[in-house]
Amino acid sequence: DIQMTQSPSSLSASVGDRVTITCRASQSIDNWLAWYQQKPEKAPKSLIYGASSLQSGVPSRFSGSGSGTDFTLTISSLQPEDFATYYCQQYNSYPFTFGPGTKVDIK
Amino acid sequence: QVQLVESGGGVVQPGRSLRLSCAASGFTFSNYGMHWVRQAPGKGLEWVAFISYDGSKKYYADSVKGRFTISRDNSKNTLYLQMNSLRAEDTAVYYCAKDRVPTVMLSNFDYWGQGTLVTVSS
Repeated sequence: DIQMTQSPSSLSASVGDRVTITCRASQSIDNWLAWYQQKPEKAPKSLIYGASSLQSGVPSRFSGSGSGTDFTLTISSLQPEDFATYYCQQYNSYPFTFGPGTKVDIK
Repeated sequence: QVQLVESGGGVVQPGRSLRLSCAASGFTFSNYGMHWVRQAPGKGLEWVAFISYDGSKKYYADSVKGRFTISRDNSKNTLYLQMNSLRAEDTAVYYCAKDRVPTVMLSNFDYWGQGTLVTVSS
């Protein structure tokens, strides 16, 4: 199975900050990487697929990059509604696996 | 608009069974693969199972293989998860999720249901 790791596990940031979250796969997954945002007591929401393609309706301050084993999610200017937990997921092969999550909270 | 509505959760004793349902609307259900994903209280997301658009392919996480069965009824636009031999560690919110790309085996998810809570406890 492909293992996914994320760093940091949590971070504190201010509105307007640039935030970067890293995700690493235990083996190459090409660009079969997705990012999801989850707010407390809510279902996850799709942000990015194919490592760098923005899901329809997602603000352009979100961006993704990477290929192979190393990926990043960047929020260019953090907004109040962006405080949440972010998960990466590989869909290169079954079983699909998620990273452990990165919680972004208010500094 | 796409809607996925899970039901069937509740409190169940260890070793017993439960069947979850996910009613889909707003898209051509029979064209899309579907998944179940769960989240234990205070924990991260765990993928559970996948079924292809036509029901011909199914994949499971090792943690549920042999105990859980995913199925679908395309005439009723409904996805199911039959859960047998339930354990305390199966306690979680269970989400159904839709593939973004039709008729493929590998896709990310573009829509999720609101989830249904399953609690396994004596």
